[in-house]
Amino acid sequence: DTEVTQTPKHLVMGMTNKKSLKCEQHMGHRAMYWYKQKAKKPPELMFVYSYEKLSINESVPSRFSPECPNSSLLNLHLHALQPEDSALYLCASSQGQGFNEAFFGQGTRLTVV
Amino acid sequence: GQNIDQPTEMTATEGAIVQINCTYQTSGFNGLFWYQQHAGEAPTFLSYNVLDGLEEKGRFSSFLSRSKGYSYLLLKELQMKDSASYLCAVLNGGNTPLVFGKGTRLSVIA
Repeated sequence: DTEVTQTPKHLVMGMTNKKSLKCEQHMGHRAMYWYKQKAKKPPELMFVYSYEKLSINESVPSRFSPECPNSSLLNLHLHALQPEDSALYLCASSQGQGFNEAFFGQGTRLTVV
Repeated sequence: GQNIDQPTEMTATEGAIVQINCTYQTSGFNGLFWYQQHAGEAPTFLSYNVLDGLEEKGRFSSFLSRSKGYSYLLLKELQMKDSASYLCAVLNGGNTPLVFGKGTRLSVIA
C-alpha cells in the first residue's frame, strides 16, 4: 500500500462553518505534511508532523488547526475560514522528515463561500 | 535564503524531446526531486537525484550538478498526456522538508 488517502475530495463550506480534512497512510511513514496549493502556484508548506509531534508551523493562521491522533492519521481542522482560503489542500507523508520522497494524497479541493 | 528557479511555461511538439531546467540556491542540500502535476491533481513523483549525474527512467531522465546548483528534467518521445506542470523541489539538509519551485507548465502540441 503506497497510498496517501485524503477525505473528502471536495468540500464547500461557509465562513462560519467548522469542518475537518482527513489524511491517512499505512506505509509506516513517520513524517506527515499539510500543503496548500492555489491555482497555477506550487504547493506551500503549512505544517509538518514528525513522530506525531508538530515540528514545523509555517506561520499559518489559527483558523487552521492541525492534529495528529496517531502515526497513520493527520487531520486539519478548519474554522472561520475566508474565501481566500479556497485552495487544494494536499497531505503528504515520508519515511522520515527530510529524507526520501514524499508521497502525496489526491488532495481536498476546498471552496469557502 | 532559498531560491528555486525554473521557466514558467514551455511548449513542445508531440514526439519531440524537451528539457526543463531548474537552478537552486538553498541553505542545505539533501537531494532534488522532480514531480509531475496535472491540473487539479496531486503531484506525482518522477525522480530523485542526490549525486551528480544522470538518472534515467523510461522516457524521463533527470540530471544534477551540485557544484552548479543545477538540474534538468529531460522528456523524450513526448506524448499529449505529458502536458502538465513539472515541479522541481529541493530537500534541505537537516529537518526541513521539500521546498518547491514555482513549476513549469509544459504544453505538448500536435
